[in-house]
Amino acid sequence: IAGITQAPTSQILAAGRRMTLRCTQDMRHNAMYWYRQDLGLGLRLIHYSNTAGTTGKGEVPDGYSVSRANTDDFPLTLASAVPSQTSVYFCASSEGQGATGELFFGEGSRLTVL
Amino acid sequence: GQNIDQPTEMTATEGAIVQINCTYQTSGFNGLFWYQQHAGEAPTFLSYNVLDGLEEKGRFSSFLSRSKGYSYLLLKELQMKDSASYLCAVRDEDYQLIWGAGTKLIIKP
Repeated sequence: IAGITQAPTSQILAAGRRMTLRCTQDMRHNAMYWYRQDLGLGLRLIHYSNTAGTTGKGEVPDGYSVSRANTDDFPLTLASAVPSQTSVYFCASSEGQGATGELFFGEGSRLTVL
Repeated sequence: GQNIDQPTEMTATEGAIVQINCTYQTSGFNGLFWYQQHAGEAPTFLSYNVLDGLEEKGRFSSFLSRSKGYSYLLLKELQMKDSASYLCAVRDEDYQLIWGAGTKLIIKP
């Protein structure tokens, strides 16, 4: 089934550890996004990529990095995890600014930093 | 600053109609979206409005007034499966999405 795959679905890690959340899409969408979702807050954009080879900072980029080596993959890395990064992380994609911009989301990665 | 406001929680009865409001203040406007998110799942797209008026899609309708910075999502003939959070999001002048915190809708038999 076409869509977005995220891994891992859930992870507990110690503060200070490095962690990469993986995201792969097979819809050939140009734009990809990483959001975090915390209770009582709206989805907050961490980083985005409008096309392969380019990335941009969202609302809450500190402590996170991304890369977009090809169209399909958009990994999110936490270089040194801190407890405030405990959250549910969603990867999403869209056709790009020219379309309606409907986002397609992965199932989410629940991250707990102790 | 940019802001999206929607009620935190609403309760409605199965078979009834419910209206979920969303007001926004953003830098520019390039469309408003409604998404549905069941607990523990990913958000899924419901509707998109860029012009004033009502867009109807089955039991769900979405309304937009750009001059008032206001939208609502109308759900008719409520079913238990409609119990979910409903997220309002506005695309600003930079084509970035600004998200509301979501409205948790509880459906009672």
